[in-house]
Amino acid sequence: GAVVSQHPSRVICKSGTSVKIECRSLDFQATTMFWYRQFPKQSLMLMATSNEGSKATYEQGVEKDKFLINHASLTLSTLTVTSAHPEDSSFYICSARALRDRPDQPQHFGDGTRLSIL
Amino acid sequence: SQQGEEDPQALSIQEGENATMNCSYKTSINNLQWYRQNSGRGLVHLILIRSNEREKHSGRLRVTLDTSKKSSSLLITASRAADTASYFCATIDLYGNNRLAFGKGNQVVVIP
Repeated sequence: GAVVSQHPSRVICKSGTSVKIECRSLDFQATTMFWYRQFPKQSLMLMATSNEGSKATYEQGVEKDKFLINHASLTLSTLTVTSAHPEDSSFYICSARALRDRPDQPQHFGDGTRLSIL
Repeated sequence: SQQGEEDPQALSIQEGENATMNCSYKTSINNLQWYRQNSGRGLVHLILIRSNEREKHSGRLRVTLDTSKKSSSLLITASRAADTASYFCATIDLYGNNRLAFGKGNQVVVIP
């Protein structure tokens, strides 16, 4: 149980394009989802916390207008990288916390999206 | 901000040997979690140890926690080629912030 599906797994697109990444909890409801960014051989950096039915909470230094997050249902959160540029190229990973879990329980991660902006 | 920080390590060991990696953190924590990441994939939760626990086992994994030193170690016994991955510790802090703060990670290569 506790499967998180992230789509697409890889995106290659031209500079200026907006890219949407989906994060779905397949077999559980998730009130909270998290979006991380990971550079090669580095750790995960939390970008924002996505709460169902409310605005996302962004970490310091993350541009809200650049990285749009929508969490419209208990099983889906989306991250849209608007007007993407080469410096936005990275590995983006989502995770979800099950509604039934306490907030300090482990998160369930998707398989990530490799975004390459040409 | 990153709370958990491992001593940056790249371990290369022979199959059957034990692999040990360490993690240090800065704040008071609720719990500390270890995750594994295979190349180009997401993270898989391995084990969680609470701040009032000192040692925990799960299969071939042994985790220790020393809250006085703000450090943890992960031991993988009798390593297998399939254990080749990056391993991250992450902390949940004590003061109501339920976000995971990840450390830098340890890359482990198990040679068959």
